[in-house]
Amino acid sequence: DIQMTQSPSSLSAAVGDRVTITCRASQSISTSLNWYQQKPGIAPKLLIYAASSLQSGVPSRFSGSGSGTDFTLTISSLQPEDFATYYCQQSYNVPYTFGQGTKVKIK
Amino acid sequence: EVQVVESGGGLVQPGGSLRLTCAASGFIVSSSYMSWVRQAPGKGLEWVSIIYSGGSTYYADSVKGRFTISRDNSKNTLYLQMNSLRAEDTAVYYCARNGVGDSFDIWGQGTTVTVSP
Repeated sequence: DIQMTQSPSSLSAAVGDRVTITCRASQSISTSLNWYQQKPGIAPKLLIYAASSLQSGVPSRFSGSGSGTDFTLTISSLQPEDFATYYCQQSYNVPYTFGQGTKVKIK
Repeated sequence: EVQVVESGGGLVQPGGSLRLTCAASGFIVSSSYMSWVRQAPGKGLEWVSIIYSGGSTYYADSVKGRFTISRDNSKNTLYLQMNSLRAEDTAVYYCARNGVGDSFDIWGQGTTVTVSP
């Protein structure tokens, strides 16, 4: 199985900050990497698919990059509604696997 | 509107069975790849199973041999039959559509399964 490792596990940031979350795969997954946002008690929401494609309706302050084993989710200017937990997920092969999550907290 | 709605969760004793249902609207389940994803209390996301449009199915090792994914094309509905349930199966179970690149682009609200004596 492909292991996905996110860092950091949590971070504190202020509104307006630039935030970067990284995700590393245990083997090359090309660009088969997706990012989700989850708020407490609510289903995850797809933000980025295929490493860098913005899902319809997602604000442009979210962006993704990377290929192979190393990937990044960037929030260019953190907004109050962005405080949540973020997960990466590989869709290169089954079993699909998720990172452990990164919780973005208010500083 | 494109959406999925799960139901069927509840409290069940260890060793028991439960069937989860995912009713879809706005798209055709049989033409889509559909997955179940679960989240144990306070934990991260875990993919459980997928059914492809052609009918092939795959499972996480943790549920293989105990869970069965299926669909009813006439009802546009996805199912997850869960047998021999264990305490570690306690989680919120989400139905999700696999979209572009096999990302999970449509999620339901989730249904809670609790396995406890």
